[in-house]
Amino acid sequence: NAGVTQTPKFRILKIGQSMTLQCTQDMNHNYMYWYRQDPGMGLKLIYYSVGAGITDKGEVPNGYNVSRSTTEDFPLRLELAAPSQTSVYFCASSFGTGRDEQFFGPGTRLTVL
Amino acid sequence: AQSVAQPEDQVNVAEGNPLTVKCTYSVSGNPYLFWYVQYPNRGLQFLLKYITGDNLVKGSYGFEAEFNKSQTSFHLKKPSALVSDSALYFCAVRSGGSQGNLIFGKGTKLSVKP
Repeated sequence: NAGVTQTPKFRILKIGQSMTLQCTQDMNHNYMYWYRQDPGMGLKLIYYSVGAGITDKGEVPNGYNVSRSTTEDFPLRLELAAPSQTSVYFCASSFGTGRDEQFFGPGTRLTVL
Repeated sequence: AQSVAQPEDQVNVAEGNPLTVKCTYSVSGNPYLFWYVQYPNRGLQFLLKYITGDNLVKGSYGFEAEFNKSQTSFHLKKPSALVSDSALYFCAVRSGGSQGNLIFGKGTKLSVKP
């Protein structure tokens, strides 16, 4: 049981480039989330999904897109990378919402130059 | 609107002494409260949660937290700190009566010195 896995661990992008951050969970969780963590700012929700085929915006969705074609996978797409997207990105999952704790992946450290 | 505050950016404690990491919240309705810990270059790990019932919640690694409704607080505590407890701690809240998402505090860095 690997939990939540993320790839890549690190990435450097040039301004204007695009990339996809991968996230997979093997716990059969319905809910999945993408957060970004900036120093001293806590975690901000980018997008979330309540099940395959259903996604919704979080607090800071601009510049990002997601899809959820399977229960296991929840990739995050960055189009036209900007320096403001330099951050650490965490994927998380939970069985339900509200009462259930979230399980986090190890993170992807992204730098946009 | 939901919000959570961790008033201390850093807490310094000597090993063996008790520790407290503070958290206050604001939600409409009954709160669901969580504590997570983050070790360097790692993802967040769940420590404990309060949903309902006993105000004193026990969690992983000897940590506990006390829910205080009148003070809207959910402080994290441990009777005897270890050097290995040094990490970043996040409090998070969600309103139990809404479909809102989990809101995280900015985090408190705990440093335990030998």
